[in-house]
Amino acid sequence: GAVVSQHPSRVICKSGTSVKIECRSLDFQATTMFWYRQFPKQSLMLMATSNEGSKATYEQGVEKDKFLINHASLTLSTLTVTSAHPEDSSFYICSARDQTRGNEQFFGPGTRLTVL
Amino acid sequence: EDQVTQSPEALRLQEGESSSLNCSYTVSGLRGLFWYRQDPGKGPEFLFTLYSAGEEKEKERLKATLTKKESFLHITAPKPEDSATYLCAVQAGSNYQLIWGAGTKLIIKP
Repeated sequence: GAVVSQHPSRVICKSGTSVKIECRSLDFQATTMFWYRQFPKQSLMLMATSNEGSKATYEQGVEKDKFLINHASLTLSTLTVTSAHPEDSSFYICSARDQTRGNEQFFGPGTRLTVL
Repeated sequence: EDQVTQSPEALRLQEGESSSLNCSYTVSGLRGLFWYRQDPGKGPEFLFTLYSAGEEKEKERLKATLTKKESFLHITAPKPEDSATYLCAVQAGSNYQLIWGAGTKLIIKP
């Protein structure tokens, strides 16, 4: 149980284009989902927290107009990187909280974004 | 300021050589301490949650313990497949956000 999927697992795009990443909780309902970014050999950096049906809460320094987050249902959250640039290249990981299990976050497999 | 510190940064062990990883924390109002395992290029895999001092949890060769200031992840007779980065995180607020340590990279040599 507590499986989270992400799609795509890997994406390469040209500078200036937008990329959408999907995060799904497959066997539970996630009222809260989190989006992280991870640079090589570094720990996770929280970008934003999203609650189903409401606007996401972004961490300081994260541009909400650049990283659009939508949590339209209890099993799906999306992160859209708008007008991507090479500095946006990173490993993006989502997690979801199953409120029936406690406070644990369960993570997706991650999405490797490369912007040329 | 809430903070989580993991040590050592990296640990190399021979197969079968038991050891411990440390996670020390300073937070106001601990709501939970979490251990995750992360393999290269993958998302973190949940291992344990500890909620109160004195609590212990085990899973195969891993055992996590918690005091009021730190947590240990003990690994007994490790195997090469235990090689990974082990991440510790704490929850201190009411919004379920986690404060992460930098991780310990564990390498088990056959």
